[in-house]
Parts: sequence; C-alpha cells; structure tokens
Amino acid sequence: DAGVTQSPTHLIKTRGQQVTLRCSPKSGHDTVSWYQQALGQGPQFIFQYYEEEERQRGNFPDRFSGHQFPNYSSELNVNALLLGDSALYLCASSLDGYLNTEAFFGQGTRLTVV
Amino acid sequence: AQRVTQPEKLLSVFKGAPVELKCNYSYSGSPELFWYVQYSRQRLQLLLRHISRESIKGFTADLNKGETSFHLKKPFAQEEDSAMYYCALRGSGNTGKLIFGQGTTLQVKP
Repeated sequence: DAGVTQSPTHLIKTRGQQVTLRCSPKSGHDTVSWYQQALGQGPQFIFQYYEEEERQRGNFPDRFSGHQFPNYSSELNVNALLLGDSALYLCASSLDGYLNTEAFFGQGTRLTVV
Repeated sequence: AQRVTQPEKLLSVFKGAPVELKCNYSYSGSPELFWYVQYSRQRLQLLLRHISRESIKGFTADLNKGETSFHLKKPFAQEEDSAMYYCALRGSGNTGKLIFGQGTTLQVKP
C-alpha cells in the first residue's frame, strides 16, 4: 500500500490562473480532507469529502472547491490564484464511521504562485 | 473559538536531556487531542493521541482539562527525535477537521 499519494509534487502558477491538485487515499479509506500549510504555520483545514459530497468546510473562500470520485480519490481546485495561495497543500485520508479514526497524510503538493 | 497554541517555535536540547513540548487548547466541549510529527523529508504522521494513553517512541502526553493543556514529554531525548511536532485537536463526535497548532521544531544536539 503506497499510502496517500498526491500529484503533482511541485507546481508553479501565475496569478489569476486556475490549478487542480489530486489525491489518492490510502487503500480502504473513503474520506478525504484537504489542508493548506503556509510557510512556518500549521496545516489549516480547507474541506472534507465523503460519499462524493463536501461534508465539512473550513474558513476558505469559494475559489477553493473540490470533488471526490466514486473510487474515493479527490481533487482540489483553486480559481483566480492569488500570491497568498502559495503554500503546501496536504491531503489526508481516513475511514468514516470510526470516531477514533487516524488521518493519514500525503507528502503534499507545493504550490507557488508568481 | 477553537484554537491550539504551541508557544515555542524552537526547542533545543542536548541528547539525554528531558523534553517537554507545550500545547494549550481552547475548545468548549470534550476534544480529542493528538500529536503529529514530521521528520525531515517525510510526511506528517500521527505520534500519539490522548484517548490511547500509550507511549510511542518514549513520548507521553497527558490531557489536563483544568489547564487545557496536552504537553508532550520524553524523559531522555535522542538525536532521532529531532523533527517538527504539531499538536492538534478534533471536536468530539466530529469525524472531520483537525485544528493544528503552529508547530514546534525540536532540535536534539549530540
């Protein structure tokens, strides 16, 4: 099991562009959460997907959207990129239905907006 | 407001010295508390959680509801403990978001 995999690992975009980041959860996991980690900060929750629906959302603008596919993989889309969107984007997967479930993290996608 | 505070950005100790990484939280309810660790060039991984009451790699953490703290401790630091440590909380009954602190870099010197 490769665990949680994210692609791409690095990305450079220009202000105003749109970006799509991808995440494949750990085998057997059905829930995917996305986090943004700015330099020197802890991860901040963006949203969580379960059964192809956004179940919970953090304090992020509508420019941030996502999708979950029937195979539980997920995409994070960011529109109208701002310089401040430059960060490490982390995907975490878990198994729903268990309150004590552990979240497993991917290695992240480093997004640089220039 | 739900918040996790790690007051130290950097903690530097010598090998064999005791370590205490501080974590305070703000949450109106019964949270679940976690410590996550990120070693150099590795992904974020769970170190321990308060409900397990276990010791992992010699680390322990006790939830103190009176002081709203969840400090991470180890009696004798090892060089391989050098890493970034994040304290996080999750609301009880909430299968979703983790709220992380800003992290503390632990540097264990030989």
